[in-house]
Amino acid sequence: SQQGEEDPQALSIQEGENATMNCSYKTSINNLQWYRQNSGRGLVHLILIRSNEREKHSGRLRVTLDTSKKSSSLLITASRAADTASYFCATAGLDSNYQLIWGAGTKLIIKP
Amino acid sequence: DAGVTQSPTHLIKTRGQQVTLRCSPISGHKSVSWYQQVLGQGPQFIFQYYEKEERGRGNFPDRFSARQFPNYSSELNVNALLLGDSALYLCASSSLAITSNEQFFGPGTRLTVL
Repeated sequence: SQQGEEDPQALSIQEGENATMNCSYKTSINNLQWYRQNSGRGLVHLILIRSNEREKHSGRLRVTLDTSKKSSSLLITASRAADTASYFCATAGLDSNYQLIWGAGTKLIIKP
Repeated sequence: DAGVTQSPTHLIKTRGQQVTLRCSPISGHKSVSWYQQVLGQGPQFIFQYYEKEERGRGNFPDRFSARQFPNYSSELNVNALLLGDSALYLCASSSLAITSNEQFFGPGTRLTVL
């Protein structure tokens, strides 16, 4: 079973707009990670946020974490066509140090 | 430096056959994890190996097995293939055993079972 649930399942926006994706999870975590996947190929790590952090930035990416609500959001600012991909959140639980639990992903389409 | 490599890229098998997938981690990485990703879903954890020892196993049947070699490369074996085993199999490497840091993924092996 999958721990994370991304919302929305699909998102289509115009180039230059901001894209926000949300992730909810069920159990306490050590950290939460966001990954990008292009065309069903390998995943690329975007950002990791630890349970004691509330916000983290990396370039055009901003991630927030609310452990009280067991949720996270990924904001991509000034979107580009190259951002078209599926985005996944993955959680590292407190009870298991050896596996990541993944959501089903958000499919993001950036229209030129 | 080369990233994580996986072979083969694509594979077609029939039900009941056996398959072996291979993964070479990033140089210096001692941890290898295997994931199964069915179309339209997120990856599902299968195994993690660190220093040639199994450190974690997901909810997969005994038909799935893996091993890690002294050079830290890894093989995933699946016996008695079922149609439902059709998926993208992803290998990830990291420098640590625990998931406190990022995983580096290979391009995957797409397995089709007919």
